Amino acid sequence: KAGVTQTPRYLIKTRGQQVTLSCSPISGHRSVSWYQQTPGQGLQFLFEYFSETQRNKGNFPGRFSGRQFSNSRSEMNVSTLELGDSALYLCASRPGTGYYGYTFGSGTRLTVV
Amino acid sequence: DQQVKQNSPSLSVQEGRISILNCDYTNSMFDYFLWYKKYPAEGPTFLISISSIKDKNEDGRFTVFLNKSAKHLSLHIVPSQPGDSAVYFCAALSDNNDMRFGAGTRLTVKP
Repeated sequence: KAGVTQTPRYLIKTRGQQVTLSCSPISGHRSVSWYQQTPGQGLQFLFEYFSETQRNKGNFPGRFSGRQFSNSRSEMNVSTLELGDSALYLCASRPGTGYYGYTFGSGTRLTVV
Repeated sequence: DQQVKQNSPSLSVQEGRISILNCDYTNSMFDYFLWYKKYPAEGPTFLISISSIKDKNEDGRFTVFLNKSAKHLSLHIVPSQPGDSAVYFCAALSDNNDMRFGAGTRLTVKP
């Protein structure tokens, strides 16, 4: 079965713009989590959606938002981009809300110039 | 707040020797721990996990040890192979179920 698909793979934006990233989970997976990876910081948790509802949120400013659709696909949006938002954004899906089955996509590399 | 810490950003070992990657956590509510391996330009892939009711879990060359009282876990790779060279992330989960990661340790296995 297809894995977690993230689009686009690469993106270059300028400061002040906004960006939307997309994540299609594994078929049947209802939970989608988003992470930001920067050098030295590891993977920082952004938020998790389950059945179109945000279940958990990490410590990021309100410029970072997300949503999940009825088919479990998820989008995250970053408004008023800053240079420090340059990072690899990873999405992970899992079947439900248990401990198991997290599968990551390959990520979207966002560069803010 | 860095609830999961990997204090060694890098580790270099000789092929055939043991690699030991360490991880500490601060949140006593964490009760499930995972190790992920990440190659450049790919997402992390699951390696091995351990529940807090155990102190050891083994899968082939990979063994994870958990010391709950010290809030410490480690991943042992024996014997290490050049293909093990990657960034290894430690992750932890609690009942509210969002997964927290450490900063990662870059392992280099030299032939």
